[in-house]
Amino acid sequence: DTAVSQTPKYLVTQMGNDKSIKCEQNLGHDTMYWYKQDSKKFLKIMFSYNNKELIINETVPNRFSPKSPDKAHLNLHINSLELGDSAVYFCASSQALGAYGYTFGSGTRLTVV
Amino acid sequence: AQRVTQPEKLLSVFKGAPVELKCNYSYSGSPELFWYVQYSRQRLQLLLRHISRESIKGFTADLNKGETSFHLKKPFAQEEDSAMYYCALRTSYDKVIFGPGTSLSVIP
Repeated sequence: DTAVSQTPKYLVTQMGNDKSIKCEQNLGHDTMYWYKQDSKKFLKIMFSYNNKELIINETVPNRFSPKSPDKAHLNLHINSLELGDSAVYFCASSQALGAYGYTFGSGTRLTVV
Repeated sequence: AQRVTQPEKLLSVFKGAPVELKCNYSYSGSPELFWYVQYSRQRLQLLLRHISRESIKGFTADLNKGETSFHLKKPFAQEEDSAMYYCALRTSYDKVIFGPGTSLSVIP
């Protein structure tokens, strides 16, 4: 009965490859997010979608492209992966644009070699 | 500028001792503040939010607008409280900014 699920949990890939991370929520929330947690555990928002519309797009290289086919899904595609992209990527969802807090997925640990 | 600071990167306390994790924010609007917890290799979980004024797992936090603080407190620390704690600020643009986190270690 996972509320926010991400796949894959681990991803090891070579520099220059293209990869996708998928996220799904079954909470009926209307807003979904991608956060990046770096090696120092710092969390930074990347994107936010509300009812399939992009509402937050932080300063992120355009190699990162989010896609939301419906309000229960938010995927993250990364082109031409670089060493600096290695991090844990968290998906989250919320209702009322985060007023009640976020529900996070378990994270995808991306390692670029 | 909108900002959340947590001055302690690491905090160690003995089991049974009181614990206070500090959080300060900078925001010109009306703040909405949260605490999240991340246990080792687990997902972040919402611990509490200032609006609900609740106590979760013995933790409380009071918003002090004068000092722009939202410190997290627990009177008696338990070993299972060892985790990473993040203070977060929700802005009027519906963006949540996280502080850098404080790693709490409770020594048995």
